Amino acid sequence: QSVLTQPPSVSGAPGQRVTISCTGSSSNIGAGYDVHWYQQLPGTAPKLLIYGNSNRPSGVPDRFSGSKSGTSASLAISGLQAEDEADYYCQSYDSSLSDVVFGGGTKLTVL
Amino acid sequence: QVQLVQSGSELKKPGASVKVSCKASGYTFTSYAMNWVRQAPGQGLEWMGWINTNTGNPTYAQGFTGRFVFSLDTSVSTAYLQISSLKAEDTAVYYCARASIVVVTATPGWFDPWGQGTLVTVSS
Repeated sequence: QSVLTQPPSVSGAPGQRVTISCTGSSSNIGAGYDVHWYQQLPGTAPKLLIYGNSNRPSGVPDRFSGSKSGTSASLAISGLQAEDEADYYCQSYDSSLSDVVFGGGTKLTVL
Repeated sequence: QVQLVQSGSELKKPGASVKVSCKASGYTFTSYAMNWVRQAPGQGLEWMGWINTNTGNPTYAQGFTGRFVFSLDTSVSTAYLQISSLKAEDTAVYYCARASIVVVTATPGWFDPWGQGTLVTVSS
């Protein structure tokens, strides 16, 4: 059971917008710790997608955006493309565990 | 360019040990922390801990104490993960990942880049 809760799967048609939630608690996201997001394409290593809640590394399309509010964070993907089909993970820090924590991951299917 | 290159796949018998390497290039090795992340087959990401590349001091996440050891050879910009007394449930892909340290929490921030992963299979 992950400390950060993500939906197991989401789906959308090409061109649509989807959001992936990452729900935490008062000892992690709610305590003000930053949330980061990763994309893992099939058979490859994770890649940084969003850092510091809402910042995109260079090279990441602006179709990807992140936000944080209270004890939750969200990743939004607009203008869905077939190549966005992947697993997405959120990451933060938990002060009760004194550990870096990941969400359980969300599989995005592009219909 | 900044990259992390890991050693190749390993097939080990239960009870054996394995040492995975992660060679960094394209940046000053001692300026960033090195993290280790485990991904069991079909499962999510699990943070194993990190090593301070300046001091060599390791920090292990809950569930990764005892059989897991992080080490460094700064002369060749390489981090190592050693796992002893291997069990079938250690079968996984192991990733190294670079991170800056967040000053407020003295813990790793975001992970970038990641190594390509090393598959460790434990089977008799």
